Amino acid sequence: AQKITQTQPGMFVQEKEAVTLDCTYDTSDQSYGLFWYKQPSSGEMIFLIYQGSYDEQNATEGRYSLNFQKARKSANLVISASQLGDSAMYFCAMRENPARRAQKLVFGQGTRLTINP
Amino acid sequence: DTGVSQDPRHKITKRGQNVTFRCDPISEHNRLYWYRQTLGQGPEFLTYFQNEAQLEKSRLLSDRFSAERPKGSFSTLEIQRTEQGDSAMYLCASSNYRGRAPGANVLTFGAGSRLTVL
Repeated sequence: AQKITQTQPGMFVQEKEAVTLDCTYDTSDQSYGLFWYKQPSSGEMIFLIYQGSYDEQNATEGRYSLNFQKARKSANLVISASQLGDSAMYFCAMRENPARRAQKLVFGQGTRLTINP
Repeated sequence: DTGVSQDPRHKITKRGQNVTFRCDPISEHNRLYWYRQTLGQGPEFLTYFQNEAQLEKSRLLSDRFSAERPKGSFSTLEIQRTEQGDSAMYLCASSNYRGRAPGANVLTFGAGSRLTVL
């Protein structure tokens, strides 16, 4: 069975600082995908970044990067130069083996990030 | 394209009443997913459609829940005889599934429909 663990219920960071949100996962599949989503107070889940299990390089998307350590089964999100608008819930998610039809995402419990001015 | 739309955004109902939520996915997306999110938790998978076919249902989806996607466009999620435990955010997502590569199947979510059962 798959499992996603986010151990930080809340994080408080000063504006312009970098922040790392932790995510560990558990799967017996060799092929899988890891995602990070942002959920502001409006409720919509916003896709941030994706990492495939066979990708050799860490994914980057603008200020977001994913620190992927396959042996340790961790996929931490790094936000550089944080902004007030980054305050939100952040969810790590995993997609199961692509050979399985549903391709559904399994989510962690989330981390609430608060950026202080 | 305006993204994934969900209606209503908020619904307050009394226990025992029926409620229906609607989701309009991104037009070219062939897959549609329903998730449920309770307070302080991550979303949990309920069911998904590929075009008009409902291909998988979670055991979370009791027989009081039914979802449809007629003609492979919009979808409805109906909850009959609501219970207080049904209070949650119901999220819809769509994707353009093109095969086995996970990166080709990014889910785009709507803003959700929040249900409160009194």
